[in-house]
Amino acid sequence: DTGVSQNPRHKITKRGQNVTFRCDPISEHNRLYWYRQTLGQGPEFLTYFQNEAQLEKSRLLSDRFSAERPKGSFSTLEIQRTEQGDSAMYLCASSLVLSGDWNEQFFGPGTRLTVL
Amino acid sequence: GENVEQHPSTLSVQEGDSAVIKCTYSDSASNYFPWYKQELGKRPQLIIDIRSNVGEKKDQRIAVTLNKTAKHFSLHITETQPEDSAVYFCAATTPDTGRRALTFGSGTRLQVQP
Repeated sequence: DTGVSQNPRHKITKRGQNVTFRCDPISEHNRLYWYRQTLGQGPEFLTYFQNEAQLEKSRLLSDRFSAERPKGSFSTLEIQRTEQGDSAMYLCASSLVLSGDWNEQFFGPGTRLTVL
Repeated sequence: GENVEQHPSTLSVQEGDSAVIKCTYSDSASNYFPWYKQELGKRPQLIIDIRSNVGEKKDQRIAVTLNKTAKHFSLHITETQPEDSAVYFCAATTPDTGRRALTFGSGTRLQVQP
């Protein structure tokens, strides 16, 4: 499968615990995005990487959230001290962005987080 | 920032009928408008997109129209089939900004009755 993959697909945790999700983008893609999707809503932008550089973080991304893309390939999203409000589907998307080009984004299957 | 409104939130049609979903956007600089289909428990999948330099694009039973002046765009599905049942999201982005992240509408749940 050459698409975007995410692991784990489901995560159930207790409030206050830390969780980490992984995203493996399409191999030649230089852009990687994290979105959060709650029930009945469209995905909301969290952060993005251009290669290994994290270029922007949304106001939705509190200090408890951190993301990395150390080698410009896979990315991890960590949530510390989880809260029930963090329960959502976390989607990763990747794209190949060239100067002046459009940005067709391909999504992974998501990681569904449930915080008890 | 960009804001995308999508209507209706639910849409039920008979098999073979047409379905239309409408979106409006707020940022006049937005110039890329994709549509995603998301089946239950699955990833959003791009079904069609349109750039601001064209007014309409078709791909078999699916078409998208864009009115830049009014800042709205629409998805048209003709000859609907039960497998078209899903949640559809419109989105907008501004490639000229560094981020190019997508701003999504809130989704339309389409149900095609056999």
